[in-house]
Amino acid sequence: DTAVSQTPKYLVTQMGNDKSIKCEQNLGHDTMYWYKQDSKKFLKIMFSYNNKELIINETVPNRFSPKSPDKAHLNLHINSLELGDSAVYFCASSQMGGYTFGSGTRLTVV
Amino acid sequence: TQLLEQSPQFLSIQEGENLTVYCNSSSVFSSLQWYRQEPGEGPVLLVTVVTGGEVKKLKRLTFQFGDARKDSSLHITAAQPGDTGLYLCAALSGTYKYIFGTGTRLKVLA
Repeated sequence: DTAVSQTPKYLVTQMGNDKSIKCEQNLGHDTMYWYKQDSKKFLKIMFSYNNKELIINETVPNRFSPKSPDKAHLNLHINSLELGDSAVYFCASSQMGGYTFGSGTRLTVV
Repeated sequence: TQLLEQSPQFLSIQEGENLTVYCNSSSVFSSLQWYRQEPGEGPVLLVTVVTGGEVKKLKRLTFQFGDARKDSSLHITAAQPGDTGLYLCAALSGTYKYIFGTGTRLKVLA
């Protein structure tokens, strides 16, 4: 039973399109995150929600909009995709401790 | 800007050798974690250290938090091919946010 699951695993899309990535955790954690991992494997935080409330919003273009319908779900919507958005996006959850990560969504913008 | 520098960036060794990976910063952190990430997967938490000078062992892996809580090391004894992966340190920055290091890619050859 997967603890943090995100879909889709792979996403290939054209520039200018709008796409969403979904994330669900069944660990009962209060806090969820979106991280972006670039081609050099550097992980950078984008957003965090605690009990459906946005608590971290790093310097991210406003084309990226997170949504948390409940504390088990955190989705990421991206408008007007650009080539530079190509990366692996990880969802994670935590309960005042270490993160549990999903297996990532590899986004390729062509 | 807080930065966690890891060294070396890449490491390729033979099975049975020992190795040490370093994570350094100019900032003081209240806790530090180490993760291992395998291709196509999210990072998996290995350990959390919170006390300056703390040493934790996980089978053949030994983790140390520096006395001043600015740096950490990961030592692997008798490396095995299964240890191959990307090793990431992460430090707590604020209440909810961990910032990640630059990563060390380890390859253990059989």
